[in-house]
Amino acid sequence: EVRLVESGGGLVQPGGSLRLSCAASGFTFTSYAMHWVRQAPGKGLEYVSGISSYGHSTYYANSVKGRFTISRDDSKNTLYLQMGSLRPEDMGVFYCARGANGVDTEMVFAYWGQGTLVTVSS
Amino acid sequence: QSVLTQPPSASGTPGQRVTISCSGSSSNIGSNYVFWYQQLPGTAPKLLIYRNNQRPSGVPDRFSGSKSGTSASLAISGLRSEDEADYYCAAWDDSLSGVFGGGTKLTVL
Repeated sequence: EVRLVESGGGLVQPGGSLRLSCAASGFTFTSYAMHWVRQAPGKGLEYVSGISSYGHSTYYANSVKGRFTISRDDSKNTLYLQMGSLRPEDMGVFYCARGANGVDTEMVFAYWGQGTLVTVSS
Repeated sequence: QSVLTQPPSASGTPGQRVTISCSGSSSNIGSNYVFWYQQLPGTAPKLLIYRNNQRPSGVPDRFSGSKSGTSASLAISGLRSEDEADYYCAAWDDSLSGVFGGGTKLTVL
């Protein structure tokens, strides 16, 4: 059974940093692209970032480019999102999602985690 | 403002057919596959349609997708009360990032 479990969310002050993790199980993690999608309270889905299988390529929404860094540790089957210079508009539920096998650039997210809430407030 | 444009709301009565549109551009829908997601309140999104018109196993054939040029549509036939949810279209953009539509809230009257 495929499982994605996010952690690391919480309350952070504007300008602060936070690292999210997504522990994956039930599939060959290294073979799949992985992505982060967020949802502000009461709002729609927003693509945040993605990383190719084996980590060769990374992708970012313009809104987070230069502030967020996605990475993966295939030995631990874990996806990360290092977030810096956080702003109130970054607040929301962050989901990790499994992408495609061997294809970075398809928005085919068949599996999602339960999400972790990030609150940016002083 | 979302890169892909969807109507904010749609509605229908049980048994009706409803369509939700998604409009993009040549850099996203025009050159990449379209995907559709259903999100029930308080839950993670669920993949409904992939690669424009393909259904994952377990998704009823009442749901269908289509794409033409820089636009796509999701059709739901035989509307049921459990279809009441938010629906999102998504596509890759050639600027090297994914994009979602703003979402359509479907109400079953």
